[in-house]
Amino acid sequence: AIQMTQSPSSLSASVGDRVTITCRASQGIRNELGWYQQKPGKAPKFLIYGASNLQSGVPSRFSGSGSDTDFTLTISSLQPDDVATYYCLQDNNYPRTFGQGTKVEIK
Amino acid sequence: EVHLVESGGGLVQPGGSLRLSCAASGFTFGAYWMTWVRQAPGKGLEWVANIKQDESKKYYVDSVKGRFTISRDNAKNSLYLQMNSLRVEDTAVYFCARDSNYYDSGVYYDAFDIWGQGTMVTVSS
Repeated sequence: AIQMTQSPSSLSASVGDRVTITCRASQGIRNELGWYQQKPGKAPKFLIYGASNLQSGVPSRFSGSGSDTDFTLTISSLQPDDVATYYCLQDNNYPRTFGQGTKVEIK
Repeated sequence: EVHLVESGGGLVQPGGSLRLSCAASGFTFGAYWMTWVRQAPGKGLEWVANIKQDESKKYYVDSVKGRFTISRDNAKNSLYLQMNSLRVEDTAVYFCARDSNYYDSGVYYDAFDIWGQGTMVTVSS
């Protein structure tokens, strides 16, 4: 199975800060990667597909990049509503695998 | 409005069985792959299984192969997960999700774009 490794596991930043989360695949997955946001006690929400394509309705402060094994999710200006855990998910191969998650908090 | 509602969770002893259901509304259920994802208490997300529109393809994570069976009834707009030989480590919230294709620059990507609220399964003696 393809292993997805996210870093950092958690971060604390101020409102308005630029935040970057990385996700590394154990083998090349082209750009077959998505990002999900999960708020406490809620179901995950789909943010990005194909590494960099924003789902309709997702704020433009979110962006994704990368290909092959290295990917990033960037929040250009952190907002209080962005407090959540973020997961990457590869859809290149079965079994589908998630990263372990990155918890984002406000400082 | 597009909606997924899971049911069937509960407390079961190790070695027991449980059948989860996921009722879909607001979209053409039979046109989509569907997926189960679980989350152990305080842990991250784990993909469990998915199923093609006509049930001709099913995929599972290794840890549930031979114990769990995913199925669907398109006439009832429903997805199921039959869980047998349950283990303590199967304890989790189980989410169903719509498994959609998104197209960009000649490539189709999978994405879980609609999620239910989840149902809790506790395996304990």
